[in-house]
Amino acid sequence: GQQLNQSPQSMFIQEGEDVSMNCTSSSIFNTWLWYKQDPGEGPVLLIALYKAGELTSNGRLTAQFGITRKDSFLNISASIPSDVGIYFCAGLAGGTSYGKLTFGQGTILTVHP
Amino acid sequence: GAVVSQHPSWVICKSGTSVKIECRSLDFQATTMFWYRQFPKQSLMLMATSNEGSKATYEQGVEKDKFLINHASLTLSTLTVTSAHPEDSSFYICSAGGVSTEAFFGQGTRLTVV
Repeated sequence: GQQLNQSPQSMFIQEGEDVSMNCTSSSIFNTWLWYKQDPGEGPVLLIALYKAGELTSNGRLTAQFGITRKDSFLNISASIPSDVGIYFCAGLAGGTSYGKLTFGQGTILTVHP
Repeated sequence: GAVVSQHPSWVICKSGTSVKIECRSLDFQATTMFWYRQFPKQSLMLMATSNEGSKATYEQGVEKDKFLINHASLTLSTLTVTSAHPEDSSFYICSAGGVSTEAFFGQGTRLTVV
């Protein structure tokens, strides 16, 4: 089946540093989504991307939908301690039910004060 | 908008008993809901797709008699873990779709079987 390869698997950074993570796929997705999950909670949607080449920002977060529709990246600028958590990319392929997503493996982010 | 509520947030049960988890869409109608299982520090594993008014579609390797799904209304889907065993202990998460291409997740349920 379809899989998303997300990297890095984990990151340990200092507060104030910028962070970048990405996802790649061997197949095309029509929608790319980025979620953050805090411990013991469900994932929360951060950014949704709908068009190839689209670049979208949400505060300190910026994400792009790759022009080939097979990749996406998420950048976090000036990290703060509350950015700690697991970040997941997710994609929706054409012809699948709305909401039926394929997930990346996740990036565990640790921010040291 | 697009709020999904999952209940309970945690449950402890004895081995051999059954546990029901509810997933509600609070401000929209969800024709489709999804149930996931997640192990610590791992990604979400799709278990089944719950369709309102019809049978759920289970992913390969998921026992449909073990994990009973009911989607009786456009705002409620339930997952019942039958005859639970310690290996069923996990974090279960639901999401609701059908509004747009995004999915909105419940808070998750931590199940511990002792």
